[in-house]
Amino acid sequence: DAGVIQSPRHEVTEMGQEVTLRCKPISGHNSLFWYRQTMMRGLELLIYFNNNVPIDDSGMPEDRFSAKMPNASFSTLKIQPSEPRDSAVYFCASSPSDRGRWNEQFFGPGTRLTVL
Amino acid sequence: GQQLNQSPQSMFIQEGEDVSMNCTSSSIFNTWLWYKQDPGEGPVLLIALYKAGELTSNGRLTAQFGITRKDSFLNISASIPSDVGIYFCAGLSQGAQKLVFGQGTRLTINP
Repeated sequence: DAGVIQSPRHEVTEMGQEVTLRCKPISGHNSLFWYRQTMMRGLELLIYFNNNVPIDDSGMPEDRFSAKMPNASFSTLKIQPSEPRDSAVYFCASSPSDRGRWNEQFFGPGTRLTVL
Repeated sequence: GQQLNQSPQSMFIQEGEDVSMNCTSSSIFNTWLWYKQDPGEGPVLLIALYKAGELTSNGRLTAQFGITRKDSFLNISASIPSDVGIYFCAGLSQGAQKLVFGQGTRLTINP
């Protein structure tokens, strides 16, 4: 079975540009999570969705960040405008709806974002 | 916010040695997860624990859910070069809906 798919794997952009990261969760999973990973702060949860509905976006750093999940098989994380301090690896993860297993998050390969 | 203390931060061992690492929290957790992350990849789930005292194995890996529900341990027996990577613990406290991650243990193996 395919795992979580993220694109692009690498993104280099200039400050001020819009960046859109994409994620396809594992089929049948109904929860989706966006994380950011840096050396200084480790893994930080940005936002998560349950059944395509945003449940908690308290980790989103500021209004420049937005996330959508228009359907069960696709989500985007957008940064507009991007800043150098946004440089990080962004992970998408999904978890199954099975009772007792919904905590088990499966991560994608990540998108390494560099903002110059 | 809640934090997990993961130790050690790094380990340098010889191939064939056993490895032990742990994770502690200040509050009671009802779920503990252990992940491994290889360079350039996302974390991969190794073991999930749901009951205090639970001991679960996955090949050469064994993890335990501490009796106090405030800690968890991961052991790797007879380490091999492909065990190199960063190991993360993650937990879910009572009433919470978001996982909390430790800072990771970086494992380096000398052949």
